[in-house]
Amino acid sequence: SYELTQPPSVSVSPGQTARITCSGDALPKKYAYWYQQKSGQAPVLVIYEDSKRPSGIPERFSGSSSGTMATLTISGAQVEDEADYYCYSTDSSGNHRGVFGGGTKLTVL
Amino acid sequence: QVQLVQSGAEVKKPGASVKVSCKASGYTFTSYYMHWVRQAPGQGLEWMGIINPSGGSTSYAQKFQGRVTMTRDTSTSTVYMELSSLRSEDTAVYYCARDFSVLWVTADRVPDYWGQGTLVTVSS
Repeated sequence: SYELTQPPSVSVSPGQTARITCSGDALPKKYAYWYQQKSGQAPVLVIYEDSKRPSGIPERFSGSSSGTMATLTISGAQVEDEADYYCYSTDSSGNHRGVFGGGTKLTVL
Repeated sequence: QVQLVQSGAEVKKPGASVKVSCKASGYTFTSYYMHWVRQAPGQGLEWMGIINPSGGSTSYAQKFQGRVTMTRDTSTSTVYMELSSLRSEDTAVYYCARDFSVLWVTADRVPDYWGQGTLVTVSS
């Protein structure tokens, strides 16, 4: 089955740039999506189709993808950005099956 | 505004089944796919499957094939997820999530608006 791999944790100081990666064999052909999940809350979509930002998501959140790796970048990370981040993609079967990465805990302190 | 209201917490014994409901409002129910995603305590998100509320077709993650059934009731704008042969590893918060795009658009199927989650505890 299709898998997406993320680092378990990333740590930055406030104001620094945080980069979270997601690797998967199908990413050269499939879009990556990114979710933010704060403790005790439902996930929120912060990036779709590799690099697009939904309305209401701050401009400091950006995404990119190259080859088998997608990257979520938070420029000037703030304390309130501390959360778990998950990448998501779909398989190539045409059956609308999705898969999440294992998640990355972002610490901003 | 889009709202997804899920049924309340459940406690089940191993081997039993559970059926979680998700009532949608604020949009045309039959125009968007609905996903089910679960999250075990302290663990990551796990995609379980998707249902087309218009025609009722489904697609499940391989891991849950044969154990999960997703259905819908268009008269009440409600989708259901039933998981059978429960084991302790099924203890998790189960979320329904509406898709990002209307179903007639050719696009990836991506969870967007989420319900509040339903905690299912499996314990003897």
